[in-house]
Amino acid sequence: GQNIDQPTEMTATEGAIVQINCTYQTSGFNGLFWYQQHAGEAPTFLSYNVLDGLEEKGRFSSFLSRSKGYSYLLLKELQMKDSASYLCAVSGSARQLTFGSGTQLTVLP
Amino acid sequence: GAGVSQSPSNKVTEKGKDVELRCDPISGHTALYWYRQSLGQGLEFLIYFQGNSAPDKSGLPSDRFSAERTGGSVSTLTIQRTQQEDSAVYLCASSLAEGNTIYFGEGSWLTVV
Repeated sequence: GQNIDQPTEMTATEGAIVQINCTYQTSGFNGLFWYQQHAGEAPTFLSYNVLDGLEEKGRFSSFLSRSKGYSYLLLKELQMKDSASYLCAVSGSARQLTFGSGTQLTVLP
Repeated sequence: GAGVSQSPSNKVTEKGKDVELRCDPISGHTALYWYRQSLGQGLEFLIYFQGNSAPDKSGLPSDRFSAERTGGSVSTLTIQRTQQEDSAVYLCASSLAEGNTIYFGEGSWLTVV
């Protein structure tokens, strides 16, 4: 089976940097995804990691360590609109994506 | 189409009735997924279609739930004899191939009263 853990809630200040961690245990590994979901909306794709290391995309970066079963999403220069739920999802041997419960990020002025 | 299209966007039904939810994936996407999300909860995997392979139905919560995908494109999720605990948003997603990035539709918000 698959198990994905991420913090339930985080709070940060506008303009700051925040790191959202995700640990996972899966049978097989075919990639790790991060999605952003605003309240009442569908999740939208942020990043994809399949090899170890850091992937940078503008203000968002995602890191993966396959040996540790660990990933993080780094958000820089936080803006109020970044307040959302951030979902970590892993593609295992079954290929379908298994999602964590999400981390609700609140950005304060 | 330009994105994943789902219908209806909102559905209110009486307990015990059957409902059908439709998903039209992005053109050319061979993989199609159904997820369910209850209020304030994470995404729960329901079923996965990949090309002509047998679907992965391991996430369907009971035999009241079924799904089909006709012609490798449009999919219908059917819930028979709906219960109040079925109230949730049902999200469909598609990807170009298995393991690729999946893109979500806006969801079908189901309320069973």
